[in-house]
Amino acid sequence: AQTVTQSQPEMSVQEAETVTLSCTYDTSESDYYLFWYKQPPSRQMILVIRQEAYKQQNATENRFSVNFQKAAKSFSLKISDSQLGDAAMYFCAYRSGANSKLTFGKGITLSVRP
Amino acid sequence: DAMVIQNPRYQVTQFGKPVTLSCSQTLNHNVMYWYQQKSSQAPKLLFHYYDKDFNNEADTPDNFQSRRPNTSFCFLDIRSPGLGDAAMYLCATAMSGFYEQYFGPGTRLTVT
Repeated sequence: AQTVTQSQPEMSVQEAETVTLSCTYDTSESDYYLFWYKQPPSRQMILVIRQEAYKQQNATENRFSVNFQKAAKSFSLKISDSQLGDAAMYFCAYRSGANSKLTFGKGITLSVRP
Repeated sequence: DAMVIQNPRYQVTQFGKPVTLSCSQTLNHNVMYWYQQKSSQAPKLLFHYYDKDFNNEADTPDNFQSRRPNTSFCFLDIRSPGLGDAAMYLCATAMSGFYEQYFGPGTRLTVT
């Protein structure tokens, strides 16, 4: 079975600074996808960024980018120029290529200091 | 232009009293999911529908049931809620062959 580990329960960043959220996963599959989801307080979860395992190039979406280390099974999220609206819980998630189910990590609560 | 709608947003029920949570979607997605999320924990998949095909997770208690009368609607029934069932229940949808799941805002269930 696949597992996703987010070992840091909380992080804090100064507004306009850069922060990196860590995630590791374990799988024996070769075809899979990785995601970072954002869940703001009392609001719905939204997709931040995704990475296909077969792609070597790291995904980027505006201020969000990932560092995908396939051999190390590591998938970290970097948020540049942090904004107050980035404060939320962030979940790392794994999806097998064989089905559409997501396996989530425990999440990390990110706070942004003004 | 809400895409995944969950009603109610907050639900209080009594121990043992059946409760139904609803989810509707305007995306015409063929896959719908129900997750249970307890405080400060990861969402846990309870079951999902692929079109009309129901897929139950092996560790989902029998106390939880689901119905999907049509593409747009899906219901979560908790037959006899216990205190341990207090949680946020998230509905999500996806179109098969595509990556992203779209989540609703959730229903927070309190059991008294």
